[in-house]
Amino acid sequence: ETGVTQSPTHLIKTRGQQVTLRCSSQSGHNTVSWYQQALGQGPQFIFQYYREEENGRGNFPPRFSGLQFPNYSSELNVNALELDDSALYLCASSGGPSNTEAFFGQGTRLTVV
Amino acid sequence: QQPVQSPQAVILREGEDAVINCSSSKALYSVHWYRQKHGEAPVFLMILLKGGEQKGHEKISASFNEKKQQSSLYLTASQLSYSGTYFCGTESPGNTGKLIFGQGTTLQVKP
Repeated sequence: ETGVTQSPTHLIKTRGQQVTLRCSSQSGHNTVSWYQQALGQGPQFIFQYYREEENGRGNFPPRFSGLQFPNYSSELNVNALELDDSALYLCASSGGPSNTEAFFGQGTRLTVV
Repeated sequence: QQPVQSPQAVILREGEDAVINCSSSKALYSVHWYRQKHGEAPVFLMILLKGGEQKGHEKISASFNEKKQQSSLYLTASQLSYSGTYFCGTESPGNTGKLIFGQGTTLQVKP
């Protein structure tokens, strides 16, 4: 158990809908990174939040957005869902923005139909 | 930009050794190694920083050659529990915090 919890664990949405995924970071951690993992692939970096500010973004369109709250928990929002957004979404909590061990949550499995 | 891992898959008998390589076309600041078992979250193994360091944890160790932009993960005397998919993640100067993962190497250890 890493202390990083994600909700919900599974979700089915219809194309065009919007979704919010949640991540509670490990106690004492101020950084949350979000990843998308397609089946059989490595995690792809979406963005990172450090002390409530976005601190880097991967090659994802603006319809992927996020927030980090004062308690360092985080949300990932995806608008206008597309079929290709179906994937496992992972958040990783760490004690700093780089050069540190990251603890992953169990992920949210999103299916877009 | 994604680091390239080799081999893609390897099957071992318990007690055998394995090497997994990670190669990048970009200058690297650090390399992170994770193991993911089926249906589970990736689990941190180690971080290596530029400077050509080596690290080890029990029978799993790794090296990082900054000049060659390569890292290798060494698994010695493999155990059944080593089975899973191994990912390297790389950080580049100026993009620290943005961890780019390779496509993974699937390791299966058989009795």
